[in-house]
Amino acid sequence: IVLTQSPGTLSLSPGERATLSCRASQSVSSTYLSWYQQKHGQAPRLLIYGTYNRASGIPDRFSGSGSGTDFTLTISRLEPEDFAVYYCQHYGSSLYTFGQGTKLEIK
Amino acid sequence: QVQLQESGPGLVKPSGTLSLTCAVSGGSISGTNWWSWVRQPPGKGLEYIGEIYHSGSTNYNPSLKSRVTISVDKSKNQFSLNLNSVTAADTAVYYCAANGYYCIEHWGQGTLVTVSS
Repeated sequence: IVLTQSPGTLSLSPGERATLSCRASQSVSSTYLSWYQQKHGQAPRLLIYGTYNRASGIPDRFSGSGSGTDFTLTISRLEPEDFAVYYCQHYGSSLYTFGQGTKLEIK
Repeated sequence: QVQLQESGPGLVKPSGTLSLTCAVSGGSISGTNWWSWVRQPPGKGLEYIGEIYHSGSTNYNPSLKSRVTISVDKSKNQFSLNLNSVTAADTAVYYCAANGYYCIEHWGQGTLVTVSS
C-alpha cells in the first residue's frame, strides 16, 4: 500500500485551521492508520492512532478522520509549536508504511 | 513510560556491517510490545526496517530483508539491529521504537550513522 500525502507544503498562520490529507492506494481499515508529528532535529511523535484516537498527552485541537482510502488530520487552531512535518502511517501484512510527509510552515 | 536509547558507531565503511543497540528503560522488553527500527535519510522521510517480539519473532521490510537481522537480549533489556553490505544509501538517522496499537508509540532520540570510507 502506498500512502500519498497532500499538500507537500502548507503555509498557514497561527490561529488558522490546518487540514492535511493522506490517501491510500487501496482501501484500508481505519484501525491501521496513524499520524505523527516531527519537529526539526527531533524524533517523530505519535499524534493519532486508529484514525481517530489521540495518543497520550496530545491536545484536543488535533483530530483525525477518514475511511477507505482518504484520511485527514485536522489541527483546529494552529499554535506556534504545531509548525512541523506530519506523516501518516499504515500497518498491514506486518509492515509499517509511511507517507512522504506534509510540511506545515508559518505563513 | 518506556524510554529508548540507541547506541553504536556513527561511521561505517562501505560494504561493512551497521550494528546498533537499543536500551529499553521504564518497561520490560518481555512485555506485550513489539520493538522496531525505523530510519530516516538526511532530509527525507521515514522508512520502516523491521520489528521483533521478545520471543524472537521478527518481521522485516521486504526491501531490506536480505541484509537485516534484528535480535533481542532479554537479560540486558535491549534489542539490536545489524544491516550488512551497507552503501552510502544507508546513511540515515536510525530510530529504535516501541510499538503500540498498530502504530509506533515511543521513539528513541535517534542516532546518525554515516556510511563512508
